[in-house]
Amino acid sequence: GESVGLHLPTLSVQEGDNSIINCAYSNSASDYFIWYKQESGKGPQFIIDIRSNMDKRQGQRVTVLLNKTVKHLSLQIAATQPGDSAVYFCAENNDYKLSFGAGTTVTVRA
Amino acid sequence: EADIYQTPRYLVIGTGKKITLECSQTMGHDKMYWYQQDPGMELHLIHYSYGVNSTEKGDLSSESTVSRIRTEHFPLTLESARPSHTSQYLCASGGGFGELFFGEGSRLTVL
Repeated sequence: GESVGLHLPTLSVQEGDNSIINCAYSNSASDYFIWYKQESGKGPQFIIDIRSNMDKRQGQRVTVLLNKTVKHLSLQIAATQPGDSAVYFCAENNDYKLSFGAGTTVTVRA
Repeated sequence: EADIYQTPRYLVIGTGKKITLECSQTMGHDKMYWYQQDPGMELHLIHYSYGVNSTEKGDLSSESTVSRIRTEHFPLTLESARPSHTSQYLCASGGGFGELFFGEGSRLTVL
């Protein structure tokens, strides 16, 4: 699968491979983290969330990992499909103030 | 499917005009947000609200103002638009811990 250790603005992945998207957050007091997917011309859509007292959470084909020690969040997409092509953003919540990180544009190659 | 609506979807106006971007949600959410996003770039929080009569400034300095007189309505106003205000404005609402539902956005171009 494709993976990166640090945040990169773009990620190209072969259809069927796994993808890993990374994000660094800034506020150690943030207690809730969310991944959003934004398709062209649309608003962001919720993918998966994780609370700060957890280090891993799985959804359908997606897994979020949280490392509070280094303030790092990652999203793993299994068996990446063409419909997964989009911009992915992580967001951190602190007292209901939701701040977004820089996005990663994922392109799926056929 | 989220029920949050933004109007207008697209707006082209001249410098110095006053504009209001409308945002309404029918989910009864207490929290509402305005973000500014340039194409392909990250979202910047400009205003948010915890509920009726609550408004807070976000991380991005903005010359806009908001009001929250009713739970379902959170309009954003620019008193005097400038070319630097050209961007996409996204409205969102949330009832839970942090999951937000976004509108389709309002694309503003100031000439």
